[in-house]
Amino acid sequence: DTEVTQTPKHLVMGMTNKKSLKCEQHMGHRAMYWYKQKAKKPPELMFVYSYEKLSINESVPSRFSPECPNSSLLNLHLHALQPEDSALYLCASSQEAGGPRQDEQYFGPGTRLTVT
Amino acid sequence: GDSVTQMEGPVTLSEEAFLTINCTYTATGYPSLFWYVQYPGEGLQLLLKATKADDKGSNKGFEATYRKETTSFHLEKGSVQVSDSAVYFCALPANQAGTALIFGKGTTLSVSS
Repeated sequence: DTEVTQTPKHLVMGMTNKKSLKCEQHMGHRAMYWYKQKAKKPPELMFVYSYEKLSINESVPSRFSPECPNSSLLNLHLHALQPEDSALYLCASSQEAGGPRQDEQYFGPGTRLTVT
Repeated sequence: GDSVTQMEGPVTLSEEAFLTINCTYTATGYPSLFWYVQYPGEGLQLLLKATKADDKGSNKGFEATYRKETTSFHLEKGSVQVSDSAVYFCALPANQAGTALIFGKGTTLSVSS
């Protein structure tokens, strides 16, 4: 099973709302990632978790708050977002994080977020 | 630093035409190389990969060969279908531990019948 699942598929939220995106994988991968993708652009890395610890935060605004409750789950908590945060949010996982010999990343289908 | 340069589209082809999407890279050492595909409204799927020089990755009729001497990993398909219409990303792992993938800008392929 090489599946990464994400919920919800679509989310519309106002600028004062609090919501969470969820991601799950059951491949035994020890690295999980959050990416943000704007239309027709490559994904931009937001966060990397390795062995359930945050290892990279790519200068993401604090209105995005990641959480890794266990090795299979990854959440992204959203609060006080701006309209420019509207994008496709992708979760991914890989066997290990980092280095030129790392295995491929498996991506979920994404959550399409619209901030009104 | 490490980088990926990918031909930008859009690429527009008729069904059964030959496809080439160029990808060159700059990297320290010899990283694994990947092609990802993103169909409309979906996430990224790994299309194929190669882990060392002269390796050929292949999947769904697509092929790419890891060329160390030209630092290239061009994607090819002999006969494209309408269903191949998608955005294609060339990628390699960043060199540092705990980091992620470096993507090319993506190439949009549109195939008409």
